[in-house]
Amino acid sequence: DGGITQSPKYLFRKEGQNVTLSCEQNLNHDAMYWYRQDPGQGLRLIYYSQIVNDFQKGDIAEGYSVSREKKESFPLTVTSAQKNPTAFYLCASSIRTGLDYTFGSGTRLTVV
Amino acid sequence: ELKVEQNPLFLSMQEGKNYTIYCNYSTTSDRLYWYRQDPGKSLESLFVLLSNGAVKQEGRLMASLDTKARLSTLHITAAVHDLSATYFCAAYNTNAGKSTFGDGTTLTVKP
Repeated sequence: DGGITQSPKYLFRKEGQNVTLSCEQNLNHDAMYWYRQDPGQGLRLIYYSQIVNDFQKGDIAEGYSVSREKKESFPLTVTSAQKNPTAFYLCASSIRTGLDYTFGSGTRLTVV
Repeated sequence: ELKVEQNPLFLSMQEGKNYTIYCNYSTTSDRLYWYRQDPGKSLESLFVLLSNGAVKQEGRLMASLDTKARLSTLHITAAVHDLSATYFCAAYNTNAGKSTFGDGTTLTVKP
């Protein structure tokens, strides 16, 4: 079955560390996205990618980095520059940018 | 810039009652989505509305779209506990080529 997989489900980061969240899809979708969700809040766009080797900043890109070397994969790195990274991170994909999102199951990141 | 506003943000209702969640968007959009999120879970697609006057129904939920008023509604009929969740709308911005999400409406259905 086609779908979008995020790993790990839970992630703990020490102060000053970089961590990478994985997002893989086998839906043959061109576009992929990363969102951050804080408790009781909506979704805020971090980065998105419309095609391989291209990506754009979203509304809250500072302290994050991404790569899109393969169509299937869009990993997100939370760097030490992100001062408040504790949140729920959702990856999504769509066949065309902005349309008909499929979401992954999310990664909950906690700073310890 | 497309902005999406939902209201109310929090809704507590009794089982068996009806209620409506509103989703207003600020600029032209030709596609409106509704999603459901259970606590700690991902977003599940409920409806996509493509044209003015579009209405879609699934069980106790009915969504509609008025593109002239830039308004979509999600109507809940005879609520049951299983409908307790957070509901998001998202409007597609044709010019920007991306969707913008509302802040979500957290619905709690009490016995």
